Amino acid sequence: AQSVTQLGSHVSVSEGALVLLRCNYSSSVPPYLFWYVQYPNQGLQLLLKYTSAATLVKGINGFEAEFKKSETSFHLTKPSAHMSDAAEYFCAVTGGYNKLIFGAGTRLAVHP
Amino acid sequence: NAGVTQTPKFQVLKTGQSMTLQCAQDMNHEYMSWYRQDPGMGLRLIHYSVGAGITDQGEVPNGYNVSRSTTEDFPLRLLSAAPSQTSVYFCASSPPTGNTGELFFGEGSRLTVL
Repeated sequence: AQSVTQLGSHVSVSEGALVLLRCNYSSSVPPYLFWYVQYPNQGLQLLLKYTSAATLVKGINGFEAEFKKSETSFHLTKPSAHMSDAAEYFCAVTGGYNKLIFGAGTRLAVHP
Repeated sequence: NAGVTQTPKFQVLKTGQSMTLQCAQDMNHEYMSWYRQDPGMGLRLIHYSVGAGITDQGEVPNGYNVSRSTTEDFPLRLLSAAPSQTSVYFCASSPPTGNTGELFFGEGSRLTVL
């Protein structure tokens, strides 16, 4: 069965600092992996996805993630945080046709 | 571009009452689904549909019914609301281009059951 673990329910960084949000997955088949972002009082929107092509995936708003099979990880990074990046971030893995299994989420706070 | 539209945005129910959360999409997406979001638990799949007339259960289907009579609409019904169903509900759809996993979400419906 597929599952996702996000390490750290809350992450706080200074504006301009590196953002690192951790995600580890478990999957019995080659996974498709996703990062979604949720801004306050909104639905989720796709940041980026890994579908077995390039292991380094670039997404919107300067975010990227690297698929590491040996570590079963798909961590999300951004070199320089911006105040507008404050949101909740969800890692997800496919559990079948378009069925996503989500992690518990990581709330990112960015302070001046 | 309306996308995925959910109504109502907020609802308060008493235990035992019934209600329907509406979801409509105008993107001609075949796949539609309902998730609930609870603090510390991420999103969990309630029911999903791969096309008109076809529905199936997700991870947490108990207490919820769905139907899919048209491509556009996918209502979620609570027949007898319970406090455990207090949550934020999200409807999502996906285009008919295979198992991409890219879901388009509505803005959510916040339900409180007293």
